[in-house]
Amino acid sequence: NAGVTQTPKFQVLKTGQSMTLQCAQDMNHEYMSWYRQDPGMGLRLIHYSVGAGITDQGEVPNGYNVSRSTTEDFPLRLLSAAPSQTSVYFCASSYQAGAYNEQFFGPGTRLTVL
Amino acid sequence: EDKVVQSPLSLVVHEGDTVTLNCSYEVTNFRSLLWYKQEKKAPTFLFMLTSSGIEKKSGRLSSILDKKELFSILNITATQTGDSAIYLCAGGGGSQGNLIFGKGTKLSVKP
Repeated sequence: NAGVTQTPKFQVLKTGQSMTLQCAQDMNHEYMSWYRQDPGMGLRLIHYSVGAGITDQGEVPNGYNVSRSTTEDFPLRLLSAAPSQTSVYFCASSYQAGAYNEQFFGPGTRLTVL
Repeated sequence: EDKVVQSPLSLVVHEGDTVTLNCSYEVTNFRSLLWYKQEKKAPTFLFMLTSSGIEKKSGRLSSILDKKELFSILNITATQTGDSAIYLCAGGGGSQGNLIFGKGTKLSVKP
């Protein structure tokens, strides 16, 4: 099992550019989520999905879109990158929501917006 | 507003010391309290606590939850340099069971 994979590992964007962060899991987990981690801020939930075709907003959703067309994949789209979106992004998956069982995290994507 | 507060934010100890990390929470529809360890990469799961007063233990690490006072502690005995990491506490709840993370405690263990 590869677990949770994320691509790319690093990315530099210019303000206004768009891009998609990829996330995939091979554990047949229903629940997937995206977090961002800023220095001294812990993890903040951006968007989450409880199953294919179902997505919802987390704590900090502005400027991001998600979709969940399959159980395995949960891409995160930055529509028009801003310097405030410079962060490390983690994708996570679990059988159910994080309150009920262990979440497995991907290795992260470090994004810099100039 | 839901929140999770960890203290201290950073801590420096020497090998062999015992440390206690604190976590207080205010989470709507609280279901569980989770601890994760983050070294240089992604967080990894340590404990999930749902019942008050029952200690969870794994080797030198242990944790307990007090649902009346809304806090949890993570104890690490006989610390080793490999325990150096950020320890994240998260409260699980809300309408969908999502996690609210604290800012983390950065633990540095010196030889």
